[in-house]
Amino acid sequence: GENVEQHPSTLSVQEGDSAVIKCTYSDSASNYFPWYKQELGKRPQLIIDIRSNVGEKKDQRIAVTLNKTAKHFSLHITETQPEDSAVYFCAANTGRRALTFGSGTRLQVQP
Amino acid sequence: KAGVTQTPRYLIKTRGQQVTLSCSPISGHRSVSWYQQTPGQGLQFLFEYFSETQRNKGNFPGRFSGRQFSNSRSEMNVSTLELGDSALYLCASSSEVDTQYFGPGTRLTVL
Repeated sequence: GENVEQHPSTLSVQEGDSAVIKCTYSDSASNYFPWYKQELGKRPQLIIDIRSNVGEKKDQRIAVTLNKTAKHFSLHITETQPEDSAVYFCAANTGRRALTFGSGTRLQVQP
Repeated sequence: KAGVTQTPRYLIKTRGQQVTLSCSPISGHRSVSWYQQTPGQGLQFLFEYFSETQRNKGNFPGRFSGRQFSNSRSEMNVSTLELGDSALYLCASSSEVDTQYFGPGTRLTVL
């Protein structure tokens, strides 16, 4: 089955800096890669996603890149703000509504 | 549209008991997936239902089961509870595409 590895497990940045979280996946059949943000005690919230026919997608301060050949995808957050502090999860989906999640990255934005 | 709802939000059970959790998807969504979230194992896929049929199942024992009704509402059942079943159980709904939206979860504590 699919295996998703996520790094780093914790990330601390200064407000205004950029943050990058990286994930690798194992199943070449995976074709959909969402990113979720989970604040303490709350539900995972979809922040951005990318499909395998696209190399990059951007939404305001958030961008995701996908390298199908290397089987890795990354989340980029620019101009970080304290409210960006949360746990971020990457995931991969082979198209059967079964998401395989990475282990999560705890992002701390220092004011 | 109203979001995904789950009931109850919190449950306390003892070992050996069984429990039923409920999930109401976003109106118009026919797919419901269930996930277990624990500090040690992270987010793990349990199963997915579409139009009352289980289409996909994760690597969980047979004590974990589910069903979906004609109005797309879904229930999951865990029989013969074990201490290790303590977790946040999340359901997610999706429409025809892969995007999954999570509910707030049910926090199950097994004593």
